[in-house]
Amino acid sequence: NAGVTQTPKFQVLKTGQSMTLQCAQDMNHEYMSWYRQDPGMGLRLIHYSVGAGITDQGEVPNGYNVSRSTTEDFPLRLLSAAPSQTSVYFCASRDQGGKQPQHFGDGTRLSIL
Amino acid sequence: DAKTTQPPSMDCAEGRAANLPCNHSTISGNEYVYWYRQIHSQGPQYIIHGLKNNETNEMASLIITEDRKSSTLILPHATLRDTAVYYCIVRQTGANSKLTFGKGITLSVRP
Repeated sequence: NAGVTQTPKFQVLKTGQSMTLQCAQDMNHEYMSWYRQDPGMGLRLIHYSVGAGITDQGEVPNGYNVSRSTTEDFPLRLLSAAPSQTSVYFCASRDQGGKQPQHFGDGTRLSIL
Repeated sequence: DAKTTQPPSMDCAEGRAANLPCNHSTISGNEYVYWYRQIHSQGPQYIIHGLKNNETNEMASLIITEDRKSSTLILPHATLRDTAVYYCIVRQTGANSKLTFGKGITLSVRP
């Protein structure tokens, strides 16, 4: 199993550009989520999904869109990048069973100029 | 979900036990205590979780007080590779339940 795979690992964008951060998992997990982490801070939840076709907002959803067309994939879209979105982004997944732990990807480091 | 309180940092000597405290005085009956760690800038790594009984796995032990208002993560023989930020998180177990990360505790293991 590859676990949770995030691509790209690094990206630099200009303000106003759009891009999609990819996240894929091969564990057949129903629950997937996106977090961002800023320097010296813990992780903050952006969006999450409890299954294909179902998404919901987390703590800091503004400026981000998500969709979940398959169990495996949960892409995060920045429609018009802003410098405030410079951060490290982590994707995670877990089994739907209530107490199951989350598995995290290695992150995407995004800089917006 | 209940909030947790952790000291900002601690250190311990290599080979000694590292005891990381966490307060969660508002925890409710259906909330579990989870511990994750983040080494350098990697993705968080799950360590252990528990409800009310003490738990042990190959990585660590989790001691939860009888009133469940606090817990301690124990790394029995800390190594330099255990230097990381450790997060104590309280989470309900519903399908929609989410992890809420605080700032964690930075553990520095010294040679």
